[in-house]
Amino acid sequence: KNEVEQSPQNLTAQEGEFITINCSYSVGISALHWLQQHPGGGIVSLFMLSSGKKKHGRLIATINIQEKHSSLHITASHPRDSAVYICAVRDNAGNNRKLIWGLGTSLAVNP
Amino acid sequence: KAGVTQTPRYLIKTRGQQVTLSCSPISGHRSVSWYQQTPGQGLQFLFEYFSETQRNKGNFPGRFSGRQFSNSRSEMNVSTLELGDSALYLCASSKGPSYGYTFGSGTRLTVV
Repeated sequence: KNEVEQSPQNLTAQEGEFITINCSYSVGISALHWLQQHPGGGIVSLFMLSSGKKKHGRLIATINIQEKHSSLHITASHPRDSAVYICAVRDNAGNNRKLIWGLGTSLAVNP
Repeated sequence: KAGVTQTPRYLIKTRGQQVTLSCSPISGHRSVSWYQQTPGQGLQFLFEYFSETQRNKGNFPGRFSGRQFSNSRSEMNVSTLELGDSALYLCASSKGPSYGYTFGSGTRLTVV
């Protein structure tokens, strides 16, 4: 079992729908990252969270440290939101604090 | 402000050869990490450097090595290339472990 699990693995939505992508982790963390990878490979950092909630435009990220769970929400989804969304956590064990990656959620938003 | 620069963008090598990939981080960023991405495998962590020291290493064979220079630029080397090493190799830079990451566009390596 991966230390960082994302669900769903694949998601198809219609334009305008509200989308939720989930990330669960099993280690103690100092921070959680959400990133977006478009076809062609480019990766963009969306959020870095250690508690609570952050909002940027139509994107909202929440984290519940006690439940070891984070969600990424997209409101009023658009075809340009089609991408792979990746969750990564910074392990807070030891001195090196390894970054552990989920396998990503592939989102397709149809017009 | 220049982003993270990876060179070359594309590379074709034959089995048994070695390859060196380069990553220039954003100015002021002292942390550089390397990842391998293959279809269906997601991002696989290779190693992370901070101020010229390797802080973390993923589960890759010793054929994969890296280093970071005093100007924070980093290189990754793969020796005795295998067909399975064909992948997109991504580099990310950060001010440090408590900061967000900026990724480069990657180097697509094809081993034939």
